[in-house]
Amino acid sequence: GNSVTQMEGPVTLSEEAFLTINCTYTATGYPSLFWYVQYPGEGLQLLLKATKADDKGSNKGFEATYRKETTSFHLEKGSVQVSDSAVYFCALSDGPGGNKLVFGAGTILRVKS
Amino acid sequence: GAVVSQHPSRVICKSGTSVKIECRSLDFQATTMFWYRQFPKKSLMLMATSNEGSKATYEQGVEKDKFLINHASLTLSTLTVTSAHPEDSSFYICSARDRLNTIYFGEGSWLTVV
Repeated sequence: GNSVTQMEGPVTLSEEAFLTINCTYTATGYPSLFWYVQYPGEGLQLLLKATKADDKGSNKGFEATYRKETTSFHLEKGSVQVSDSAVYFCALSDGPGGNKLVFGAGTILRVKS
Repeated sequence: GAVVSQHPSRVICKSGTSVKIECRSLDFQATTMFWYRQFPKKSLMLMATSNEGSKATYEQGVEKDKFLINHASLTLSTLTVTSAHPEDSSFYICSARDRLNTIYFGEGSWLTVV
């Protein structure tokens, strides 16, 4: 079945460092890909998404490109801030309507000032 | 923006008792809600899809009689863990889909069974 694998955390960075969180997927067909973020004490929020190969999703300085050839959707940000500290989940859509989501295990990001 | 609220955020219950978790869409009508469970260091696993006014659709391996889901209105779905045991201790999170097919997640609920 479909699955998502993302790098284990926690990832600890200093402020203004470059961030990469790796995500690879296994899927039949052409799923949409998502990154969700969960800040402490809050629900998951959609950070960005891409619906087809070579699409780049971007939001709040974060970017991820849908790479079909490598089945990857790595999350990047050029300069992280303390406020980016959160748990990041990679996910793909699964099922009719694209709303049945398959999640990775989540990666904790800690940014130090 | 749209908000989905879960209650309670944390609950401790005794083994053998039942506990109910509520998921409410606060400013939109949700015809479909989803219930997920997360084990430590594991992915969020979809447990069931809840459609308003009809029976929930459970994922393979999820016990229907243990995890009762009721979606009685367009703004409320409930998950009841019946005869809870320590292995049911987990993080449960719901999401709701609005009429534009956008999904919003609740804050999650931590269940500890002692």
